[in-house]
Amino acid sequence: QKEVEQDPGPLSVPEGAIVSLNCTYSNSAFQYFMWYRQYSRKGPELLMYTYSSGNKEDGRFTAQVDKSSKYISLFIRDSQPSDSATYLCAMSASETSGSRLTFGEGTQLTVNP
Amino acid sequence: GAVVSQHPSWVICKSGTSVKIECRSLDFQATTMFWYRQFPKQSLMLMATSNEGSKATYEQGVEKDKFLINHASLTLSTLTVTSAHPEDSSFYICSARGGWASYEQYFGPGTRLTVT
Repeated sequence: QKEVEQDPGPLSVPEGAIVSLNCTYSNSAFQYFMWYRQYSRKGPELLMYTYSSGNKEDGRFTAQVDKSSKYISLFIRDSQPSDSATYLCAMSASETSGSRLTFGEGTQLTVNP
Repeated sequence: GAVVSQHPSWVICKSGTSVKIECRSLDFQATTMFWYRQFPKQSLMLMATSNEGSKATYEQGVEKDKFLINHASLTLSTLTVTSAHPEDSSFYICSARGGWASYEQYFGPGTRLTVT
């Protein structure tokens, strides 16, 4: 069983839709949760970072963490064609500089104009 | 801030030759750098973790004699693919952590390696 599970999609939505992306995990030691966006043939860029359970909002993006269910989500409001990319969840157990990230498989999102 | 560069962005080499990929943190010092490999439509697979001035730690199944990693300074790490074969063709991405945001990794743009 993978430590982090993420539906690879593809997910296709019309412009303006609310997008919900999710990951589940099995390692209860994970405390730091991140969402990255990766455009084709580019490196991932950090979108959201949260620590432990709770919500965090940044513009059109909201990240939610439910540690009791080992479930994290990223919501995108008023989705735009420029949001079309692969979204990767990632998590780590430690804050220290040497801590490794464990990534989900990534969900490919297409927002149609 | 927090910019990571990689060079080259794309390289084609013949089977049996070696290729070096550079990863630089441009505006911060990176005590730790990571090297990932990504196949099409798949996630990032961590290959190794390198700390400045010490030997890299390789993930299980990654041949350390084939993928040589050097982290000679706080802003530069290199990955050398030795005796490359077509199955080594992939997208190689580095990331850097350290400085003011130790819990965040900043990724380079990636290097596409094609071995013919």
